[in-house]
Amino acid sequence: DQQVKQNSPSLSVQEGRISILNCDYTNSMFDYFLWYKKYPAEGPTFLISISSIKDKNEDGRFTVFLNKSAKHLSLHIVPSQPGDSAVYFCAASAAYNQGGKLIFGQGTELSVKP
Amino acid sequence: GAGVSQSPSNKVTEKGKDVELRCDPISGHTALYWYRQSLGQGLEFLIYFQGNSAPDKSGLPSDRFSAERTGGSVSTLTIQRTQQEDSAVYLCASSLRQDNSPLHFGNGTRLTVT
Repeated sequence: DQQVKQNSPSLSVQEGRISILNCDYTNSMFDYFLWYKKYPAEGPTFLISISSIKDKNEDGRFTVFLNKSAKHLSLHIVPSQPGDSAVYFCAASAAYNQGGKLIFGQGTELSVKP
Repeated sequence: GAGVSQSPSNKVTEKGKDVELRCDPISGHTALYWYRQSLGQGLEFLIYFQGNSAPDKSGLPSDRFSAERTGGSVSTLTIQRTQQEDSAVYLCASSLRQDNSPLHFGNGTRLTVT
């Protein structure tokens, strides 16, 4: 049972344009959501997070939007840069699940072309 | 070191042999997590430690898998009688607390079972 889904395995955008990565979840108990970025042969690195009490969180070029009624979140990167090319993972956790265990999606590989 | 350290970075073993994977978390991080990423898949939770105890072992795929943590620091993940389906990248992460502190990942151990 895939509780966190990223339905697009890959995305290609032009440098300077907006990248939109999408993520859906099924567990209504999830109350904290994160995006991680992963380069080849490296571990994932934390990018940005959002609590379920918010619907938007912004950090520089990165913005995460949360639509709780649709159980959907998205990551916007604007403007996209070639260095943003990586695999992006969406993750979720639930307060009742003490320990901060994260459930990850399958990842979306972003390619930003110069 | 400044980050999470995992060793070895690569391990090739024959089917049926036992392997031990090591994780050195960031100093002072009380929570430690093991995940694995099989080819083309997302990150799959294995086990979580708070201090030396493991409140959540729900992700361990079989009784061939075990993990321990000593001194609230180093952790080892042991896979007995390895099978080809155990081939994956095994990732360790640590966090400062067990709440929504972001996880800091190591670069992983790529395990190949031949």
